[in-house]
Amino acid sequence: DVKVTQSSRYLVKRTGEKVFLECVQDMDHENMFWYRQDPGLGLRLIYFSYDVKMKEKGDIPEGYSVSREKKERFSLILESASTNQTSMYLCAASIGRGTEAFFGQGTRLTVV
Amino acid sequence: ILNVEQSPQSLHVQEGDSTNFTCSFPSSNFYALHWYRWETAKSPEALFVMTLNGDEKKKGRISATLNTKEGYSYLYIKGSQPEDSATYLCAFKGGGADGLTFGKGTHLIIQP
Repeated sequence: DVKVTQSSRYLVKRTGEKVFLECVQDMDHENMFWYRQDPGLGLRLIYFSYDVKMKEKGDIPEGYSVSREKKERFSLILESASTNQTSMYLCAASIGRGTEAFFGQGTRLTVV
Repeated sequence: ILNVEQSPQSLHVQEGDSTNFTCSFPSSNFYALHWYRWETAKSPEALFVMTLNGDEKKKGRISATLNTKEGYSYLYIKGSQPEDSATYLCAFKGGGADGLTFGKGTHLIIQP
């Protein structure tokens, strides 16, 4: 089974801090994704990447950036954390476009 | 932003009863339709990835159908068990270079 690991399960950060959420996958999958999940809004795509050093904006990229320097690692960066970025963040990986996505366990981020 | 709708939003079903719920998605530029099960405190896990109009897939007591021409998919659970309690998500993949677009999910509770 593909293993997708997110660096933290719970995180509390202050407004204005730069925040890094890390995601690592162990199956050499080409595609990686960052989603956030909010009550009543479902999973929304923030950014995705189809290859190393490649990134594409999802539906809600404002306030975020990403980095993919190595195939197995996809980082989500909150440049200056704000309270409206308090959410559950989920990373996912898939082998091909449209194939089954494997999810990490999620990071619950609270910005105070 | 693509429109992927799931209904109902939540559902209470007696143990042993069968149930079904719906996912509607754009009928143009279709590539794939996914179903995921998301149990509390776990990561979403794929149930089905469907690509062909008329497709019907089955895994144990759970099955799904796909109509790409009219833009809907049904998920069926036969003889519901308490372990079926979860949020069921559908996700649409279009033909472009974008990620999965998720519906808001159907929250299923099986009552003993």
